[in-house]
Amino acid sequence: ELKVEQNPLFLSMQEGKNYTIYCNYSTTSDRLYWYRQDPGKSLESLFVLLSNGAVKQEGRLMASLDTKARLSTLHITAAVHDLSATYFCGEGSQGNLIFGKGTKLSVKP
Amino acid sequence: NAGVMQNPRHLVRRRGQEARLRCSPMKGHSHVYWYRQLPEEGLKFMVYLQKENIIDESGMPKERFSAEFPKEGPSILRIQQVVRGDSAAYFCASSPSGMWEKLFFGSGTQLSVL
Repeated sequence: ELKVEQNPLFLSMQEGKNYTIYCNYSTTSDRLYWYRQDPGKSLESLFVLLSNGAVKQEGRLMASLDTKARLSTLHITAAVHDLSATYFCGEGSQGNLIFGKGTKLSVKP
Repeated sequence: NAGVMQNPRHLVRRRGQEARLRCSPMKGHSHVYWYRQLPEEGLKFMVYLQKENIIDESGMPKERFSAEFPKEGPSILRIQQVVRGDSAAYFCASSPSGMWEKLFFGSGTQLSVL
């Protein structure tokens, strides 16, 4: 059974600090996705990673994929309050998206 | 181009009633996916449908739950004889084909069972 594990599940950060969210998955895959969810809202697509070594950046967020290690990371640079949300990684090799439990990020002033 | 449309946004049912959740995919999308999200948890895949076909229902509970995506009209997720444990947010996503680069999600239906 495919498993997607994220850590940490909860993350409290100070504004201006850097941190990394990790996403491990249990099968060979080169289709990894990151989504953001604000409370009570739907999922917003952040990054689509479709090959080993893929790196994508948008503002203060950068995502990477290492298919050999079965690991994707979401790096946050100089966090700001607006980044507070829950971040999900999802693996898509089986025709649908299998999500991790999410990382609830809280950025405090 | 309207996004994935789900309705209703909120649905309240008493135990034993039926719940019908609707999802209209983005224009040009013929593949629909349903997910369930319990409070403070991630999204759990339920079912993947193409027009008039169920492709993968491995995440659907064996009883009381069914889904369809007819040739015309929205996809419907139907829950019969609801119980309190069915209370959750149900999200629908769509894609233009089975070989997709990204899934587009609707705003979800929050089901509350009294």
